[in-house]
Amino acid sequence: QITLKESGPTLVKPTQTLTLTCTFSGFSLKTSGVGVGWIRQPPGKALEWLALISGTDDRRYSPSLKSRLTITKDTYRNWVVLSLTSMDPVDTGTYFCAHTRRDYDVVTGDYNPLYDYWGQGILVTVSS
Amino acid sequence: DIQMTQSPSFLSASVGDRVTITCRASQSISVWLAWYQQKPGKAPTLLIYQSSTLETGVPSRFSGSGSGTEFTLTISGLQPDDFATYYCQQYYSFSTFGGGTKVEIK
Repeated sequence: QITLKESGPTLVKPTQTLTLTCTFSGFSLKTSGVGVGWIRQPPGKALEWLALISGTDDRRYSPSLKSRLTITKDTYRNWVVLSLTSMDPVDTGTYFCAHTRRDYDVVTGDYNPLYDYWGQGILVTVSS
Repeated sequence: DIQMTQSPSFLSASVGDRVTITCRASQSISVWLAWYQQKPGKAPTLLIYQSSTLETGVPSRFSGSGSGTEFTLTISGLQPDDFATYYCQQYYSFSTFGGGTKVEIK
């Protein structure tokens, strides 16, 4: 059974760095074909993809936030850490982590990461 | 960046109705399109991937279609549990979500 849970501060001040941890179970992040991603959602608004790290340590970032984001993994402790620098009130929202599996197109042989299991999310407020 | 445009943003429907939500990509994403359902205060749950493949355990009243830049999610026979917000997501190049469609009871 795959489970993920986000943890970290629920209140940060502007200009500070947010560090969130996604602790997971039911899978290993040592193998290819598996990954953990981060997605956020401002209150009452749409989802926004942030970052992804794979079992092979391939890292991908949202182009609009790339300069502020860092994603890392600890395969022994089964967690993934997301850091977001220079926090601003517009960064307020619920931050989710999610498990990805490799989704194959049997016709072309191509594959891409599919977000299939999500954590419950953590609400982070940015305010002085 | 690939932009995803979802329509309508709000939909009012009755139990038993057939509902269709559209998602348009700013460039071709082949079939790399997923649909999620989200209820208030909860994480999204995966309904459909690769445009038309139903995730295990998802009721067959949900269906998806499309390729390239135009995609649709159809709910045939809306049930009380289906009133929620629905998001499309492209996972062809990095990832992008649509703006969401809130389905409310008429």
